[in-house]
Amino acid sequence: DARVTQTPRHKVTEMGQEVTMRCQPILGHNTVFWYRQTMMQGLELLAYFRNRAPLDDSGMPKDRFSAEMPDATLATLKIQPSEPRDSAVYFCASGLYVGGYSNQPQHFGDGTRLSIL
Amino acid sequence: AQKVTQAQTEISVVEKEDVTLDCVYETRDTTYYLFWYKQPPSGELVFLIRRNSFDEQNEISGRYSWNFQKSTSSFNFTITASQVVDSAVYFCALSATETSGSRLTFGEGTQLTVNP
Repeated sequence: DARVTQTPRHKVTEMGQEVTMRCQPILGHNTVFWYRQTMMQGLELLAYFRNRAPLDDSGMPKDRFSAEMPDATLATLKIQPSEPRDSAVYFCASGLYVGGYSNQPQHFGDGTRLSIL
Repeated sequence: AQKVTQAQTEISVVEKEDVTLDCVYETRDTTYYLFWYKQPPSGELVFLIRRNSFDEQNEISGRYSWNFQKSTSSFNFTITASQVVDSAVYFCALSATETSGSRLTFGEGTQLTVNP
């Protein structure tokens, strides 16, 4: 079965350090999402891309977070500088959308568990 | 704005019992998709089902069944003859293209515990 691949699975680092999370979407999917899961906020959308173009990043703190898709097989989410409140599980998901409609549902990667000390 | 409400925070049942997880949604879009995802203790999010707003047929897949009712804006999920392996957090989600693009709006999740 095709899967969304996220690396690293776990990351522990000190406050102030740069964190980079990577995602390889399912081949053929044209839309990539970044979600964050915390106990307090639940699952929330940070940003998403279609055909590598950013469509919405309103869920991201712009001063420290950045999301990019250097190519169709790689999406990155960076935090610089990281803060303890960024500790969460970060999920990447991909899907296929044509004309704004979902041809295939969003499938999620296993997530990156991030701890900022 | 769109919203998904899962009123049941936690449910505990004994193996072989049937259990229904409730989901109520709000959207002004006429075209939307509804989803259920399972998050087992290992943490990954597993896709279970997607329905679009034009298809109100109920669906059955093995021990799982889904009841979609537009009149009550509900998309409930029933597990028949529950098993310990069904223990997980279950999320209902909504994607409404017109007003919110392709993003998923998730409910708070229902923690299901199936005891042997």
